[in-house]
Amino acid sequence: QKEVEQNSGPLSVPEGAIASLNCTYSDRGSQSFFWYRQYSGKSPELIMFIYSNGDKEDGRFTAQLNKASQYVSLLIRDSQPSDSATYLCAVTGQGAQKLVFGQGTRLTINP
Amino acid sequence: DVKVTQSSRYLVKRTGEKVFLECVQDMDHENMFWYRQDPGLGLRLIYFSYDVKMKEKGDIPEGYSVSREKKERFSLILESASTNQTSMYLCASSYMTSGAKNIQYFGAGTRLSVL
Repeated sequence: QKEVEQNSGPLSVPEGAIASLNCTYSDRGSQSFFWYRQYSGKSPELIMFIYSNGDKEDGRFTAQLNKASQYVSLLIRDSQPSDSATYLCAVTGQGAQKLVFGQGTRLTINP
Repeated sequence: DVKVTQSSRYLVKRTGEKVFLECVQDMDHENMFWYRQDPGLGLRLIYFSYDVKMKEKGDIPEGYSVSREKKERFSLILESASTNQTSMYLCASSYMTSGAKNIQYFGAGTRLSVL
């Protein structure tokens, strides 16, 4: 079983709708959870991080964490074509200094 | 703004060459990382350094070595490049925090082709 699992997609969402990206992780000791966005040919950039159970909102983005279910998600409201990218979920691994990345979900927003 | 700079965006080398990839960060971060990213395999950690002259192997260290002589600079070395090392290489850095808040900031990446 992979340590961090994401649906690779592609996930296709119409412009203006809510895009929902999901991630599960296997290490119950993980404490920090990150969402990175990566445009094609570019490097990952951080868009959200969450440490506590519940929701965290930042503009059009909401991260949701459920440690009991070992599940973290990212919601993108009012999706725009510029949101089309691969979204990487990352969680702290053995030793809090390292991150374990999922393979990413490719998201396409259709105008 | 955090700046992580990788010396080359694109690099073409021949099999057997010694290859140096350089990374510099300007945020006084303790931790620095080298990853490679391949389609279908995601980001894989090659090496990690948490202090000057300190290093730790990641998930795929074979065929690579690293050097960290100064805090701001972390070099990845391919001792004898092979075609299976053709990949996108990403450097990242972060603070050494007491808690679990470990945000990594990435450089622009180096796309290496080994012919």
